[in-house]
Order: sequence, then C-alpha cells, then structure tokens
Amino acid sequence: DTAVSQTPKYLVTQMGNDKSIKCEQNLGHDTMYWYKQDSKKFLKIMFSYNNKELIINETVPNRFSPKSPDKAHLNLHINSLELGDSAVYFCASSQSGVLRGGVGNTIYFGEGSWLTVV
Amino acid sequence: DAKTTQPPSMDCAEGRAANLPCNHSTISGNEYVYWYRQIHSQGPQYIIHGLKNNETNEMASLIITEDRKSSTLILPHATLRDTAVYYCIVRVSPSNTGKLIFGQGTTLQVKP
Repeated sequence: DTAVSQTPKYLVTQMGNDKSIKCEQNLGHDTMYWYKQDSKKFLKIMFSYNNKELIINETVPNRFSPKSPDKAHLNLHINSLELGDSAVYFCASSQSGVLRGGVGNTIYFGEGSWLTVV
Repeated sequence: DAKTTQPPSMDCAEGRAANLPCNHSTISGNEYVYWYRQIHSQGPQYIIHGLKNNETNEMASLIITEDRKSSTLILPHATLRDTAVYYCIVRVSPSNTGKLIFGQGTTLQVKP
C-alpha cells in the first residue's frame, strides 16, 4: 500500500503544452504539499493545502495551479510549459500543518514525478 | 526556521556506524531538529526528530547537544542501502505552515 502516490512517474512533453500531475494520499492526513527539485537537487516547497484550503504559495508562477478536490487529493496543473519547468515534482502529506509538540508533524513524500519539457 | 550547516559529503564503511553532524547554532527554544534522507531517484524519507533529549528509533539515533546548537544522526550499522543524501532541518513545531526547508544535505556514501 503506497501512502502517497503520484502519477505519472515520468512525463515528457513539448513547450507550450498543458499537463497535470495527480497525487493521492491514503494516510488520512489533513495537509498536502507540492515540492519541486531542480537539476541542482534543491528541494523547495511550492504549495501547501490544509483541508482543501491553500495555506502556502511560495511565489510560484500563475501557470502552476494546484487543485484539491478533497483532502486526500492534491493535483498540480501546469499551463504553457517552459523548459525551466523540467524538474522532479514531489507530492507530500502530513497530519496537520498546525502541530502540537512535534507529534503528527512528520511529512511523508511520494516517489516523485519526473517532468521533462523539450 | 533556523539555518543548518552540514558537511557536503561523508564516507562510511559498510557495517560501521555512520555519524552525520549538523550545526544549528541559531536554533530557537521551540524548534525541533528533523532528519530526512533521499535515496537516489526516490522521495525524501523521514528518519527521526527531537527537541532536547536524545532519541532512538528503528532507523537511527539522534544526539542533541545540551545547548542544542548541534546534533548528530547515528546510523549504528550502515549498509549499502543507506547511501543517500541526509538532510538536517530545524523547524517550529507546532508550525502554522508545516513546511520543510531543505538545505544541501550530506551525501553519505557507504562503501563495501
């Protein structure tokens, strides 16, 4: 049973296309995230949703639009793809973005989606 | 969240203990120390976290100095599968955002 699953794992697409990456977690968590890992391997947060409500938007271009139909799903839609969007995108989840004493704050990551824009 | 400093790389012999240091000299009283690792081509994996006391779980031990300005992650018997990038992160918990800020981490190479 995969706790945080994302699809597709690999995606190659042309510049200007629109694509989506889907994420689902079966942990019953309230909070979900999207992280981006670029070619230099730096991991940076993009978005965070808590109970379907956006709580973090780290100055990501408007071409990136997260959608959370329910608290178990957080999809990432990217419009007008650019070469610089090529990266690995990780979905993650945690029990709550607001914590007590460190308990329940563990963030669990998916296996990543490798996006290549050509 | 406080900044952390880790050595960029370390080697360890298989079967020996791997001791990964982390400096967090500006850590605040309400910030926890978290360790994650990322094995090649996989998502980051939670290892352990602590506030003041030393912690141990099935994966590793975390030793935090008394002044909390540094910590050490210990893998007691490193295996080849422990080769990964290890990230030390300090963050407020409870946090109103829950986000993790990753640095460059330490690339641990376990050698046979």
